[in-house]
Amino acid sequence: QQQVKQSPQSLIVQKGGISIINCAYENTAFDYFPWYQQFPGKGPALLIAIRPDVSEKKEGRFTISFNKSAKQFSLHIMDSQPGDSATYFCAARSPGFQKLVFGTGTRLLVSP
Amino acid sequence: DGGITQSPKYLFRKEGQNVTLSCEQNLNHDAMYWYRQDPGQGLRLIYYSQIVNDFQKGDIAEGYSVSREKKESFPLTVTSVQKNPTAFYLCASSSGGASGDTQYFGPGTRLTVL
Repeated sequence: QQQVKQSPQSLIVQKGGISIINCAYENTAFDYFPWYQQFPGKGPALLIAIRPDVSEKKEGRFTISFNKSAKQFSLHIMDSQPGDSATYFCAARSPGFQKLVFGTGTRLLVSP
Repeated sequence: DGGITQSPKYLFRKEGQNVTLSCEQNLNHDAMYWYRQDPGQGLRLIYYSQIVNDFQKGDIAEGYSVSREKKESFPLTVTSVQKNPTAFYLCASSSGGASGDTQYFGPGTRLTVL
């Protein structure tokens, strides 16, 4: 119930293409869904986050799509660039707690 | 310059030795966290603290200990009991509260036990 399942494990996209990473969850009490970006040897940094009362949130080239009924959310990176090559983690949080449950990560490689 | 600092960046220890990883934040955050990162397993919560002098076990607390004597500091000790301590350790902090807030991560410490 506390798991967040993330796919794919790795992804190769050509420059200019769309990168799509998917996450699914079981706990309907989760109320906050952030995405983190991590470069090798660095700590993760918040990229974008969404709450379940909206179906989509866009910030620049990054969009979260949220499907509450399917208990799924996804990250779309438009016009992917080599600088986007990193590991991306989805996460989810229960109300009343301050713990985040993380997906297992997706290693994205954007080829020039 | 606000943020979270972790030291050292790389740490080598012999098997059977305890080791303490440092985490300091000047963001005035109430909550602090320790995660362990292994390849292909994402981030797993070791311990967290919502307030000074209080902390809770996370999902993989066995073999680890923490203290929270000051708001800005949350050191993690990896004890000799920990069976496989070689990993990348990440400290994070957040402002706290029940309304879902951002966790900010430090740069991490890579611990290698020889």
